[in-house]
Amino acid sequence: DAGVTQSPTHLIKTRGQHVTLRCSPISGHKSVSWYQQVLGQGPQFIFQYYEKEERGRGNFPDRFSARQFPNYSSELNVNALLLGDSALYLCASSPEPIRNQPQHFGDGTRLSIL
Amino acid sequence: AQSVTQLGSHVSVSEGALVLLRCNYSSSVPPYLFWYVQYPNQGLQLLLKYTSAATLVKGINGFEAEFKKSETSFHLTKPSAHMSDAAEYFCAVSERSGGFKTIFGAGTRLFVKA
Repeated sequence: DAGVTQSPTHLIKTRGQHVTLRCSPISGHKSVSWYQQVLGQGPQFIFQYYEKEERGRGNFPDRFSARQFPNYSSELNVNALLLGDSALYLCASSPEPIRNQPQHFGDGTRLSIL
Repeated sequence: AQSVTQLGSHVSVSEGALVLLRCNYSSSVPPYLFWYVQYPNQGLQLLLKYTSAATLVKGINGFEAEFKKSETSFHLTKPSAHMSDAAEYFCAVSERSGGFKTIFGAGTRLFVKA
């Protein structure tokens, strides 16, 4: 079975631009979460979606938004990009948003802001 | 809010030596704890999880971790390091506050010397 897939793998943008990152969860997984991993740090929680509804939001500005589609895939949108948004963006899926379930991660999208 | 602290941003061991990566958690409820590994340019892969069953948890690739409530610790060990174990390791706790999310430590980079 295919794992979590993310696209694109790499992206270069300039300050002020907008970016959309995409994620397809493992088949049968209905919960999708997004994380930002700055170089040298652990992943930081951005959003969690379940059954197309936002169920959790981390401490990120309103420039960050996301949505989940009927097929459970998800998009992360970031507006007005800043240099500090340069990071690896990870998508993770799980069958349901239950604490004892581990998350399955994709390989991420490396976003570089010039 | 729950949190995890990983002691030591870098750990270096010789091939064949014991690996010990330290993690302490803070939680007001019984925690669900995880260890993930990240290889360069990849996402995170689950090593093992603690979900209130046995306190000694065995994972993949010969790793294991022991949950000690009295010490609020969940240290990761492997009896004999292999060159392929060189990677970044993250301790994490699953939280339900403000939505379902996983809180990660800052990570420990493991170096294995020949």
